[in-house]
Amino acid sequence: QVQLVQSGAEVKKPGASVKVSCKVSGYTLTELSMHWVRQAPGKGLEWMGGFDPEDGETIYAQKFQGRVTMTEDTSTDTAYMELSSLRSEDTAVYYCATDKLLAGAFDIWGQGTMVTVSS
Amino acid sequence: EIVLTQSPGTLSLSPGERATLSCRASQSVSSSYLAWYQQKPGQAPRLLIYGASSRATGIPDRFSGSGSGTDFTLTISRLEPEDFAVYYCQQYGSSPRSAFGQGTRLEIK
Repeated sequence: QVQLVQSGAEVKKPGASVKVSCKVSGYTLTELSMHWVRQAPGKGLEWMGGFDPEDGETIYAQKFQGRVTMTEDTSTDTAYMELSSLRSEDTAVYYCATDKLLAGAFDIWGQGTMVTVSS
Repeated sequence: EIVLTQSPGTLSLSPGERATLSCRASQSVSSSYLAWYQQKPGQAPRLLIYGASSRATGIPDRFSGSGSGTDFTLTISRLEPEDFAVYYCQQYGSSPRSAFGQGTRLEIK
């Protein structure tokens, strides 16, 4: 079965960048459509972007265009999400999630990575 | 851009009762790409329903989804103590490529 294991918590200063990793086991990364979702403290879920198999490319939510980069290392089956120009509003738990069903629904989730942006 | 609006914001019910949660889209959503999730404090979301009405693996049959177009419903037929959580609907496919509703908190009355 698919498991997603994310990197540990991060504390960053405003203006810095953060790179969160998501290691896949049980499948290879090439078999999955990986997405990233974040959740600010006490708030709802926010889709950031992910790989769209129909388009064959990674698509980013407009809100994060220019600030987020999602990459994959197929040699280690690890996905990465890098967010730059961090501000306090980026303080959140960041989740990787995969659409193994290819139904536009995220059936497998990582455990989440807490990113705190504070001066 | 599609916006999903969930109602009510908070639903207070007792174990054994029936829960009906609503998700309304600002534009028509393909039923194939409407999902529901459950989230408990400190946990990642869990997929309950995909394709508007298909239960994900391991989800009890007291959870059911229905709807089409702009109106979708998650029904929990008889609430168990472990069902009290926050529920989110999600669409995929229309601009933005994916989006979540703001959530409904289901609390014990």
